[in-house]
Amino acid sequence: EPEVTQTPSHQVTQMGQEVILRCVPISNHLYFYWYRQILGQKVEFLVSFYNNEISEKSEIFDDQFSVERPDGSNFTLKIRSTKLEDSAMYFCASSGRQVFYGYTFGSGTRLTVV
Amino acid sequence: GQQVMQIPQYQHVQEGEDFTTYCNSSTTLSNIQWYKQRPGGHPVFLIQLVKSGEVKKQKRLTFQFGEAKKNSSLHITATQTTDVGTYFCTVPDSGGGADGLTFGKGTHLIIQP
Repeated sequence: EPEVTQTPSHQVTQMGQEVILRCVPISNHLYFYWYRQILGQKVEFLVSFYNNEISEKSEIFDDQFSVERPDGSNFTLKIRSTKLEDSAMYFCASSGRQVFYGYTFGSGTRLTVV
Repeated sequence: GQQVMQIPQYQHVQEGEDFTTYCNSSTTLSNIQWYKQRPGGHPVFLIQLVKSGEVKKQKRLTFQFGEAKKNSSLHITATQTTDVGTYFCTVPDSGGGADGLTFGKGTHLIIQP
């Protein structure tokens, strides 16, 4: 079964540092997303991406965040200057044209800001 | 953005008992999706409901969408230890193809053997 792949699985970074979280969505999917989940809390939408541009973003996705699809397979989330409160599990997801089949989530990257 | 209320937050059941989680929205929904997240895992898509009054079954799981398309439920019959996890309902932000999903807070299902 096709999977969404995320790397690294765990990233520890110092406050103020830049981090890049990487994702390889399912190859024939068209829509790509980033979500985050602070420990013990609900999953929160960050951003959606379609046709090489941001389609929708939440209030959480401020100027510190950016996304990129640098080539035909990777989808990245960059946090420019990490804060303690950015510590969370970050999930990448993708979906095909038929959302009826749901969104496929990756296994996540646990970001710890110290 | 969309808001969705999900109850209960936690549900303890004995193995073999039934389990139900409920989602409610103040607005009419175009669709609702359900996801399961195992402890330490990622959300896994279960189903999407689109039609008013729709009922769908997956083995021991029964999903319902209310007639007014403002509420939904997930019912598990005769729970097993493999059912442990958090069940989330989600609603789309605006109905477009690249929608973000708004997640409910989830219901944590805890099964006591």
